[in-house]
Amino acid sequence: EIVLTQSPATLSLSPGERATLSCRASQSVSSYLAWYQQKPGQAPRLLIYDASNRATGIPARFSGSGSGTDFTLTISSLEPEDFAVYYCQQRKTFGQGTKVEIK
Amino acid sequence: EVQLVESGGGLVKPGGSLRLSCAASGFTFSSYSMNWVRQAPGKGLEWVSSISSSSSYIYYADSVKGRFTISRDNAKNSLYLQMNSLRAEDTAVYYCAGTATGLIFDPWGQGTLVTVSS
Repeated sequence: EIVLTQSPATLSLSPGERATLSCRASQSVSSYLAWYQQKPGQAPRLLIYDASNRATGIPARFSGSGSGTDFTLTISSLEPEDFAVYYCQQRKTFGQGTKVEIK
Repeated sequence: EVQLVESGGGLVKPGGSLRLSCAASGFTFSSYSMNWVRQAPGKGLEWVSSISSSSSYIYYADSVKGRFTISRDNAKNSLYLQMNSLRAEDTAVYYCAGTATGLIFDPWGQGTLVTVSS
């Protein structure tokens, strides 16, 4: 069973800064990796699928990269609404999440 | 508008049963595989179960196998989760989520809270 490890657990940044989130798989998953954003009290929302494809309606400041075992979600310039928890996912496995909080 | 609306959550005693429903609208429900994903209070996301578009393929997490049953009714655009022999560790918000291709979860419902406590 694949294990997804996200780092860091918490990222403290200011609006306008760049956020870089990591997701590492225990074995190669090719490009089959997705990213979700979850705000408090809300359902998760799909951001990125197949490692680098933005879902419908997702702003261009969100980008995904990587393949094999190492993946990155980048938010180029944080907006106030981007402070949330982010999860990576491969098939039935989710990472433990990275919380992006306001510094 | 694409929408998934869950219902049926609530407080139940250990060993009890509950049936969750998820009503879909705004997309071709019968073309999507459907899933249940749960989130215990303050914790991360856990996949629970999946069912293919025609109900031919069904999968469960080991943690619920033998206790939970997923089903769907394409004529009613509805997904269900029958939960039996509930345990305290089943306490969570249960989300239904659609899958058009691969195992990418989109869209998601707003979730329904299941609390298992005496």
